[in-house]
Amino acid sequence: QLQLQESGPGLVKPSETLSLTCTVSGGSISSSTFYWGWIRQSPGKGLEWIGSIYDSGYTYYNPSLKSRVTISVDTSKNHFSLKLTSVTAADTAVYYCARHELVRDHYFDSWGQGALVTVSS
Amino acid sequence: QSALTQPASVSGSPGQSITISCTGTSSDFGNYNLVSWYQQHPGKAPKFMIYEGSKRPSGISNRFSGSKSGNTASLTISGLQADDEADYYCCSYAGSSTWVFGGGTKLTVL
Repeated sequence: QLQLQESGPGLVKPSETLSLTCTVSGGSISSSTFYWGWIRQSPGKGLEWIGSIYDSGYTYYNPSLKSRVTISVDTSKNHFSLKLTSVTAADTAVYYCARHELVRDHYFDSWGQGALVTVSS
Repeated sequence: QSALTQPASVSGSPGQSITISCTGTSSDFGNYNLVSWYQQHPGKAPKFMIYEGSKRPSGISNRFSGSKSGNTASLTISGLQADDEADYYCCSYAGSSTWVFGGGTKLTVL
């Protein structure tokens, strides 16, 4: 069964860079049809798609975050990563990684448990 | 890119049916039927429930059904059960290789 697990610092200082990694187990990140995405949820708020990446490194980003976001993939380690620069308190959220089918049906079917990242000095 | 519009809350009694709406603009999903729905219990990750507006993935109860008409997608839950109490989110392909979620709806089972 496919499992995803987020990892990274739970506390980041304002203006610094948030970095998270999502490790995939029970399956290969090198899938023929699936991308791998990041979604966040601010406290008490809704979900926001951040971006998605294919195993080749091809990426799609949310236009509202594009200038600060970089998503990368390491197929040898079966994981992909998120970097968000110049963070502020507004970036405090639970960050989820998920498998993203976007070739035909467009859905996020397997999710990690989420990682809470707090931006505070 | 604005969030899709969902009612903040809906409620129903056990055994009843409820419907949650998800409204966007024609640029959000008017030309597609690529809406998915997710259930989220408190403190848990979202769970994939519906895709392509009305299709259920394996393992999802047929009490959950979806539909779409024009710029509004809907999730209907029939035979409400206590465990259905959760937050529900819609998501749609919004064109230009972007995806947008709804603001979420809290379902209370009375």
